[in-house]
Amino acid sequence: SAVISQKPSRDICQRGTSLTIQCQVDSQVTMMFWYRQQPGQSLTLIATANQGSEATYESGFVIDKFPISRPNLTFSTLTVSNMSPEDSSIYLCSVGRTSGGYNEQFFGPGTRLTVL
Amino acid sequence: DQQVKQNSPSLSVQEGRISILNCDYTNSMFDYFLWYKKYPAEGPTFLISISSIKDKNEDGRFTVFLNKSAKHLSLHIVPSQPGDSAVYFCAASSRGKIIFGKGTRLHILP
Repeated sequence: SAVISQKPSRDICQRGTSLTIQCQVDSQVTMMFWYRQQPGQSLTLIATANQGSEATYESGFVIDKFPISRPNLTFSTLTVSNMSPEDSSIYLCSVGRTSGGYNEQFFGPGTRLTVL
Repeated sequence: DQQVKQNSPSLSVQEGRISILNCDYTNSMFDYFLWYKKYPAEGPTFLISISSIKDKNEDGRFTVFLNKSAKHLSLHIVPSQPGDSAVYFCAASSRGKIIFGKGTRLHILP
């Protein structure tokens, strides 16, 4: 499976600021995703990062709040904009692989964000 | 509305015994099920999966059972080892989209 790294691994930010999280994969992948895991909750898909076009956002998530870039097949960024304490969460990048006709996903180590 | 439910937030099992983690789902369109393991400060790691055409898949100490009529799956770990202490996420997939449960924290007791 691909090796996925994320930067930063953690950060503490002030309300109203923005943070950009980077995801780097060691091989070219077609499918990249961004998830959020709020405390005590499941992993929730924010959006699918599409290479060369706008990301596809899930219900409840919008581009103005979570702009995503995908300039190539090995890299993506997620920005958490105008942060509030409710954005405190772990943000995870994942890559998809098709195995036997089914989709599997592999995750990066995550970025733990605390908003004060 | 949660489509994938893990009703036990935590589970404690004696080392060497069997750990059974349960998961229920509501969407009959799910055709692929996955289990992930997560250690603190790490991302979830893929553990084992099963397609809806099977009722059992085994990989070493890990076995996943699927009961489609009951919309229920379970992960069996035997024998349980200290390194198995982690949070386990059940996930279900339909048309490429994966939905996760909230996870069950497994504690392996010495």
